[in-house]
Amino acid sequence: DVQMTQSPSYLAASPGESVSISCKASKSISTYLAWYQEKPGKANKLLIYSGSTLQSGTPSRFSGSGSGTDFTLTIRSLEPEDFTVYYCQHYNEYPPTFGAGTKLELK
Amino acid sequence: EVQLQESGPGLVKPSQSLSLTCSVTGYSITSNYWGWIRKFPGNKMEWMGYISYSGSTSYNPSLKSRISITRDTSKNQFFLQLNSVTTEDTATYYCARCGYGSYYFDYWGQGVMVTVSS
Repeated sequence: DVQMTQSPSYLAASPGESVSISCKASKSISTYLAWYQEKPGKANKLLIYSGSTLQSGTPSRFSGSGSGTDFTLTIRSLEPEDFTVYYCQHYNEYPPTFGAGTKLELK
Repeated sequence: EVQLQESGPGLVKPSQSLSLTCSVTGYSITSNYWGWIRKFPGNKMEWMGYISYSGSTSYNPSLKSRISITRDTSKNQFFLQLNSVTTEDTATYYCARCGYGSYYFDYWGQGVMVTVSS
């Protein structure tokens, strides 16, 4: 299985700041990578797929980059609603696997 | 709007079978792929399997001998059955739709917590 190493596990920031979350694959996955946002009591939200394509409805302050093994989710000008948990997932081959998650907290 | 809703027992005894239903509204399950994913305590997420628009299935090899995903197109529902459960199967179970022609998940249910305990 492709292992997805997501870092950091926890990240503290303030509204208005920019943050980046890393996701590294144990082998090349081309750009078959998605990013999700998780909020308590709500359905997970797809933010980005194909490494950098914003899902319809994703605010433009979110961006994704990378290919091969190294990927980054960047959130510019953090809004209060952005402080939650984020996951990456590859879908290059079976089985698709997820990163361990990053909890973005208010500083 | 596409909506998915998981349902099923919240408590299952060890060695028994876990059975969950995913009810879909706003989109036909005869299009796209549809998956089950679970999140363990501690937040590790695991893809369990898919059922396709045609009814074919693909399962995580780690579960292959215990898992079955089926569907009822007349009710626009698909189902998860996991046999011989242990406490290690305690998790929140999610159903989700795959993006068209791909295998990321663009719509999710809210998840249902299942505890395996005697």
